[in-house]
Amino acid sequence: GDSVTQMEGPVTLSEEAFLTINCTYTATGYPSLFWYVQYPGEGLQLLLKATKADDKGSNKGFEATYRKETTSFHLEKGSVQVSDSAVYFCALSSGTGRRALTFGSGTRLQVQP
Amino acid sequence: NAGVTQTPKFRILKIGQSMTLQCTQDMNHNYMYWYRQDPGMGLKLIYYSVGAGITDKGEVPNGYNVSRSTTEDFPLRLELAAPSQTSVYFCASSNDRGTYNEQFFGPGTRLTVL
Repeated sequence: GDSVTQMEGPVTLSEEAFLTINCTYTATGYPSLFWYVQYPGEGLQLLLKATKADDKGSNKGFEATYRKETTSFHLEKGSVQVSDSAVYFCALSSGTGRRALTFGSGTRLQVQP
Repeated sequence: NAGVTQTPKFRILKIGQSMTLQCTQDMNHNYMYWYRQDPGMGLKLIYYSVGAGITDKGEVPNGYNVSRSTTEDFPLRLELAAPSQTSVYFCASSNDRGTYNEQFFGPGTRLTVL
């Protein structure tokens, strides 16, 4: 079945540092890939998405590129802020049938001033 | 638009009690989902629905039931609460157009079973 593997956290960075959160996936066919963010005490919000190979999703300074050859969708940001502190989830959807999301276990990011 | 709303926000149950978690969306989405999030884990699918009157099991359906009598509402029922059901529950919805499947999430219900 489908699965998503994320790097374990927490990831602790200083403000303005470079961020990478690794995500790899296993899926049949051509899934859509997503990064969701969960701020403390809140639900999940879509951060960015990519629907086919080599697509780059971007939002709020975050980027991720859909790499089919390495089955990866790593999240990057050039300069993190304290306000980026949250839990980040990589997810995929096969786009057929129930269209439910398969989530990774999440990576907690803590940015220190 | 309010998006996806869930009630209650918090609830404490005793073992064996029952309750219904409410979920409503105002985006006219056909697809609705219930997930649970255990500490340090990703979300796991409990039940889903592809339209009014149609529901099906996800990965972890045991101990839960759902119904979908309208497009807007998708309640989740716990009949005999157990400590293993202590979790945060999220409802989500999406449309059925194309293969791109952005899901919109509610704020969650934090449930503790003692």
